[in-house]
Parts: sequence; C-alpha cells; structure tokens
Amino acid sequence: EDQVTQSPEALRLQEGESSSLNCSYTVSGLRGLFWYRQDPGKGPEFLFTLYSAGEEKEKERLKATLTKKESFLHITAPKPEDSATYLCAVHDGGNQFYFGTGTSLTVIP
Amino acid sequence: NAGVMQNPRHLVRRRGQEARLRCSPMKGHSHVYWYRQLPEEGLKFMVYLQKENIIDESGMPKERFSAEFPKEGPSILRIQQVVRGDSAAYFCASSPEVSADGGYTFGSGTRLTVV
Repeated sequence: EDQVTQSPEALRLQEGESSSLNCSYTVSGLRGLFWYRQDPGKGPEFLFTLYSAGEEKEKERLKATLTKKESFLHITAPKPEDSATYLCAVHDGGNQFYFGTGTSLTVIP
Repeated sequence: NAGVMQNPRHLVRRRGQEARLRCSPMKGHSHVYWYRQLPEEGLKFMVYLQKENIIDESGMPKERFSAEFPKEGPSILRIQQVVRGDSAAYFCASSPEVSADGGYTFGSGTRLTVV
C-alpha cells in the first residue's frame, strides 16, 4: 500500500524564520503529489500538484519541490497567517489519495 | 460559485442512533469522495461515487456504513447504530473527473461526536 510520512509533526517558527517541511512517500507509480493547507475546523485547501522529480512550484512564500522519494515545502519568511497544518498526499492513479498526518506549523509574531 | 457544501457542520449522536451526513459537490463536478479524519491520524479514504453509482467503497467499514449519490440531491453518508469510535471529522471532496490534475476540492467537513 502507498505510504506517506510527514515530518516534523509540529514546527514553531519566528516570523521571518524560513524552514522546510518534509513529505517522504512510497508509491507504486506516482501520478501526482499534492500539498494542502488545513486550518482548524476547516477542510483541506489545495496548494500544489507536482508530477515528476525535479518539478518545483511556487505560491507567495511557499515553494514545493519533488524528488523520487520525497517532497519539500519550503516556507520563506513566514508570517503568522501561514500558521496551519500542511498535508501531503500521493495519487497512484487509483480512486483514492493517500494522505500523511500533516505538519502543524505555528508562526510566532 | 459555491464550493463543496457539507452539512451539518457539527452533529452529536447518542450511541445506537443514526447519523446522516450530506455533501453537495461543486457545480459541474460529478465525482464525490468521502474521507474520514480521526484525531492524530491522516485523512483516510472511505468511498468514491458518481451519480447513482458507487465506484469504489474499499475504504468503508463493511457494517453500519453506507453511501449514496442520487440523480437529484446531495451525496449522503449514512452511519447506522453509531459507536464512540465513529467520532471523527468526515470530509467530502469533489472533482470534475477522475484525474490527478488539480487534486480535489474539499468541503469544510462534518464533525461527528458520539456520546
């Protein structure tokens, strides 16, 4: 079965302190790797899709990268409003996505 | 353009009662997925439906759980004779087609509490 492991489980950053979140995956034929943001009491909000090793995507202070075994979500100069849980998921072409348990990010002013 | 609408947002049921969770997909989306999120666990796939068809229910418990997506109206996830272990957040997602492109659009979820 496909597996997704995210680390760290929780991360506290000072405002402006850049860092990276990791998503390691095992999948039989990657069709896509997805990053979502989830705020408390809300549903996951789509951020990025990555399809092949070497691909990168950016959105504001976030940049996602992909290798054959893992993906990183880099957060540059984060702000308090970036505080959320970030979820990673993989798709192998079947009917479901496989999600990690997420990284809870807190950005302190 | 409304997103994926789920209701109720919060649902409290006593053990043994039935829970009905509703999901209206985004306009133009014909594929609906239900996921369950338990505390400290990731989102787990339950079922994938198209209008009037269950395509994949491999993630659904064999007993007490059922899902439907009728020709008219929302998709319904039904849990009969609820137990405490059913307490979780249930998320519905929709997509215009079965595709990895763009991922799903999720609703805000229904938080089920069984007392």
